[in-house]
Amino acid sequence: ELKVEQNPLFLSMQEGKNYTIYCNYSTTSDRLYWYRQDPGKSLESLFVLLSNGAVKQEGRLMASLDTKARLSTLHITAAVHDLSATYFCAVALQKGDGNKLVFGAGTILRVKS
Amino acid sequence: KAGVTQTPRYLIKTRGQQVTLSCSPISGHRSVSWYQQTPGQGLQFLFEYFSETQRNKGNFPGRFSGRQFSNSRSEMNVSTLELGDSALYLCASSLTFYRGGRMSTEAFFGQGTRLTVV
Repeated sequence: ELKVEQNPLFLSMQEGKNYTIYCNYSTTSDRLYWYRQDPGKSLESLFVLLSNGAVKQEGRLMASLDTKARLSTLHITAAVHDLSATYFCAVALQKGDGNKLVFGAGTILRVKS
Repeated sequence: KAGVTQTPRYLIKTRGQQVTLSCSPISGHRSVSWYQQTPGQGLQFLFEYFSETQRNKGNFPGRFSGRQFSNSRSEMNVSTLELGDSALYLCASSLTFYRGGRMSTEAFFGQGTRLTVV
């Protein structure tokens, strides 16, 4: 059974600081996703990572994937208040399982000014 | 381009009742998945439909069922509601694409239906 673990689960950081959220998963997968969720809202797709060594960047967020270590990271650079949200990683089951995603518990990020 | 539309946005039901939630995917997307989000269990996969067929199913009791119509719209039904069914139900519309020779999918989520069982 595929398990996805995120840490930390809660992150309070000052504006301007850098930090990294980690996502570990237990079995082989060829797809990993990062989503953002604002309170009371739906999930917004941030990144789709498909291959070992993949790195994607959008603004102050950068995601990477190491399939051998079964680890993805979401790095936040020079945080700003607008980044406050809950961030989820999700792993797709290996080929043949359609579009079933297994989500991590989420990381609640609070950026303090 | 219209996004994923879920109706209704909010529902309050009584224990023992049944409920039907609706999801209209993005035009051209044939895969629709349903997820339940609760504070205690997080986001959990319910089922996926593709071309009117259930392709995948999560670990939920038989009270949870779904279907997909020929226009890709999907409905989810929960019978004999329990207090623990109170949750945000999210529908995801998926598109398969090819990038660098690799096949993948990207899921786009609707706003969700917040179900409260009293």
